[in-house]
Amino acid sequence: QKEVEQDPGPLSVPEGAIVSLNCTYSNSAFQYFMWYRQYSRKGPELLMYTYSSGNKEDGRFTAQVDKSSKYISLFIRDSQPSDSATYLCALELSGGGADGLTFGKGTHLIIQP
Amino acid sequence: GAGVSQTPSNKVTEKGKYVELRCDPISGHTALYWYRQSLGQGPEFLIYFQGTGAADDSGLPNDRFFAVRPEGSVSTLKIQRTERGDSAVYLCASSLSGGKNIQYFGAGTRLSVL
Repeated sequence: QKEVEQDPGPLSVPEGAIVSLNCTYSNSAFQYFMWYRQYSRKGPELLMYTYSSGNKEDGRFTAQVDKSSKYISLFIRDSQPSDSATYLCALELSGGGADGLTFGKGTHLIIQP
Repeated sequence: GAGVSQTPSNKVTEKGKYVELRCDPISGHTALYWYRQSLGQGPEFLIYFQGTGAADDSGLPNDRFFAVRPEGSVSTLKIQRTERGDSAVYLCASSLSGGKNIQYFGAGTRLSVL
């Protein structure tokens, strides 16, 4: 079993739909949780950064962490064609930059106009 | 300001050759990371530098892979005796030390070993 499981998709939804992306992890020592967006042939860019259970909202994006279930989610409201990309969850054991990130496989999201 | 810059953007080489991949981090970022991303996979951690020293090289797959950061800024990832299985996108990221570890990624070097 990999440390982080993420459904690779593709996930195809119509424009304006609410998108739900998820990851599960096995190591309870992970403390920091991120979502990155990666467009084709580009590097990942950070969307959300969280470090506690609960919800964090930023514009159309909401990150949710449930440490007891080892489950993290990213919700995208009012999805746009420009949201079409691969979404990667990333986890970190400790803060402060002392660790590399452990990524999921990424979910390929397609928003149909 | 400028982001993380990686050169070359694409590199094609033959099996058995030596390659060097370069990373220019964001100015002032003391932490630098290398990752490898194979097709359809998420990035996999290779090595982490804090300043000039490799603080964690546990992700390097074998001794054919080596990385340096002699002046604490630019880093070079070196791969000896390349194999077809080394074909992947090699990503570099940098961050400020301390506080939130927000890593900023370059666009990567796409390495193809024929």
